[in-house]
Amino acid sequence: DIQMTQSPSSLSASVGDRVTITCQASQYINNYLNWYHQKAGKAPQLLIYDASNLETGVPSRFSGSGSGTDFTFTISSLQPEDIGTYYCQQYDNIPFTFGGGTKVEIK
Amino acid sequence: EVQMVQSGAVVKKPGESLRISCKGSGYNFPIYWINWVRQMPGKGLEWMGRIDPSDSYTDYSPSFQGHVTISVDKAISTAYLQWSRLQASDTAMYYCVRPRLHGDNGALDYWGPGSLLTVSS
Repeated sequence: DIQMTQSPSSLSASVGDRVTITCQASQYINNYLNWYHQKAGKAPQLLIYDASNLETGVPSRFSGSGSGTDFTFTISSLQPEDIGTYYCQQYDNIPFTFGGGTKVEIK
Repeated sequence: EVQMVQSGAVVKKPGESLRISCKGSGYNFPIYWINWVRQMPGKGLEWMGRIDPSDSYTDYSPSFQGHVTISVDKAISTAYLQWSRLQASDTAMYYCVRPRLHGDNGALDYWGPGSLLTVSS
């Protein structure tokens, strides 16, 4: 299985701050990397697909970059509704695998 | 509008069997794989497996292979996740998910609300 190492595991930032989360794959996955946001008690939501493509309807303050094994997810200006847990996920190989998650809180 | 409607919360005893369901609507059901994702209490997301409704071909994660069975009835646009012998460690939320694109695609876009399974004696 491809291991996805996500960091940090949690962070606390102020409204308006720039937030960055990284995800490293244990082997090359091209750009087959997605990012999800899960609010407490809700199903996850796809934000970014194929490393850098913004899903329809997702605010432009969210972005993703990277290819190969190293990926970055950025919130350019953190908003109160952005709290929750963010996950990366690779789909280059079966089984699909998720990172361990990053819990984002407002300071 | 694409919707994934899942069966409701259930409480079972260890050793019992169970089948939960996921009905897709608002799209051409046979051409989109259905994935199942587990989330244990307070934990992260785990991909369990997927099924191609057009021919019932399945992929499983090795972590779940042999413990669960994924099936589909495309005539009623419904996928299933089944256990023959539940364990307490199966207690979790289970999500069915449709990918963003038809065919072999792993961007998990349309999530059901989840089916909460509690296994307790």
